[in-house]
Amino acid sequence: EADIYQTPRYLVIGTGKKITLECSQTMGHDKMYWYQQDPGMELHLIHYSYGVNSTEKGDLSSESTVSRIRTEHFPLTLESARPSHTSQYLCASSGIGGEKLFFGSGTQLSVL
Amino acid sequence: KNQVEQSPQSLIILEGKNCTLQCNYTVSPFSNLRWYKQDTGRGPVSLTIMTFSENTKSNGRYTATLDADTKQSSLHITASQLSDSASYICVVSDRGSTLGRLYFGRGTQLTVWP
Repeated sequence: EADIYQTPRYLVIGTGKKITLECSQTMGHDKMYWYQQDPGMELHLIHYSYGVNSTEKGDLSSESTVSRIRTEHFPLTLESARPSHTSQYLCASSGIGGEKLFFGSGTQLSVL
Repeated sequence: KNQVEQSPQSLIILEGKNCTLQCNYTVSPFSNLRWYKQDTGRGPVSLTIMTFSENTKSNGRYTATLDADTKQSSLHITASQLSDSASYICVVSDRGSTLGRLYFGRGTQLTVWP
């Protein structure tokens, strides 16, 4: 059902590297979100966008940045990865009304 | 403080048995309550969405109930299958902002044994 894609699925990198997590959706949704999830814990909103050229920080402070140049694309960038960034990152989108979220499969990031 | 609490934290049942997962929330104002299923290593998938005026909603073998007065919801799974093994997440949305903020529970980890 969900047409939202995240790459890569898994990423292991060294401290200090710059990384970009990709997220694309083909449903034409205006609203897109990035969540961070640690094992056994709730999802935390780190960034969201209501449309092209609109981005806002979420509830959880994050050193990452996002961009929304095209409706379908919402990449997340870490300029200098640190071990504390190790987590699962989930991208989501929603249509008019925003009632139903569609999630990607996530990127599991490990920073050594 | 707006919170969503789920119980139990984990649950093991035998295939074919029924089970009920609980969600208590203190979110106010209230817009809707959602149940998601999250398989290990995957993103959550929506099961049900209930607004204030709805007290039950079904999706196949999944039936969610909502008591907005007591701020409680339950998810009942009938005739469990091995594929039901997953984390079930309760999410509550408020209507106090244009963002329609979502409050996530930590989930109940369900394991179904053959």
